[in-house]
Amino acid sequence: ETGVTQSPTHLIKTRGQQVTLRCSSQSGHNTVSWYQQALGQGPQFIFQYYREEENGRGNFPPRFSGLQFPNYSSELNVNALELDDSALYLCASSSRVGGANVLTFGAGSRLTVL
Amino acid sequence: DAKTTQPPSMDCAEGRAANLPCNHSTISGNEYVYWYRQIHSQGPQYIIHGLKNNETNEMASLIITEDRKSSTLILPHATLRDTAVYYCISLDYTGANSKLTFGKGITLSVRP
Repeated sequence: ETGVTQSPTHLIKTRGQQVTLRCSSQSGHNTVSWYQQALGQGPQFIFQYYREEENGRGNFPPRFSGLQFPNYSSELNVNALELDDSALYLCASSSRVGGANVLTFGAGSRLTVL
Repeated sequence: DAKTTQPPSMDCAEGRAANLPCNHSTISGNEYVYWYRQIHSQGPQYIIHGLKNNETNEMASLIITEDRKSSTLILPHATLRDTAVYYCISLDYTGANSKLTFGKGITLSVRP
C-alpha cells in the first residue's frame, strides 16, 4: 500500500474532450507532483504544488492545469485532449527522509484518447 | 534531459546479487542519487538514496564512488519479483523540489 491513491484507474476519452484525474496523498505531505508516462518512456514531470500553489512546471502547455486542496487531495485537469495525451498519469507526494525529498507514487490513471 | 546514464538492460539469476550501474559524471555537490523502480503497470517505487556515503536498507545497498561520478545499486538476492525497470536519478536536495528527471532506466530481468 503506497499511501497515495489515484482515480480513476482507467478511462477513455475522445479528442477535444476534457478530463479530471484525482489524487489523494498522505496526510502531512504538503507537496504533490504530477507526471505523464507515455508507453515505453520514463515519467515526465508536469508540475508540482506546494500548499495549494503551483511552484514548478515542466514542458507542458497551459491546457494542463492542477489544483491542490487543504485535505491533501489534488486534481490534474487536461483540456482539449489530443491523441498524444494518451499515457499513464502519476501523482506523487513527497516527504523528507534523511534530509532528502522522497516521492511516493500512486498506481496511476491510464488515459486513452481516441 | 536526464543527468544520469544507464545501460538499457541486464539480467541475473534468481538468488544471485544484481549489480545495477549508473553514471552521473556531472552531478553537483547538492545532488542526491536516488533509485526508483517500476514494475510493469505500477507507479515507481522508491528504493534508496545517498549523497556521499554508501547506504543500505531492507531493499538494497547503494555504493557511490568517492568522486561521486558513478554508483551501483545492489540487490543482494534477486527474486523474480525484482524484474522491473530501475531508474537512477539525481536531484538537488535544497528546497522542496520534487522534479525528478527520469531517463529510460535499466530493465532488469531476473531469470529462474
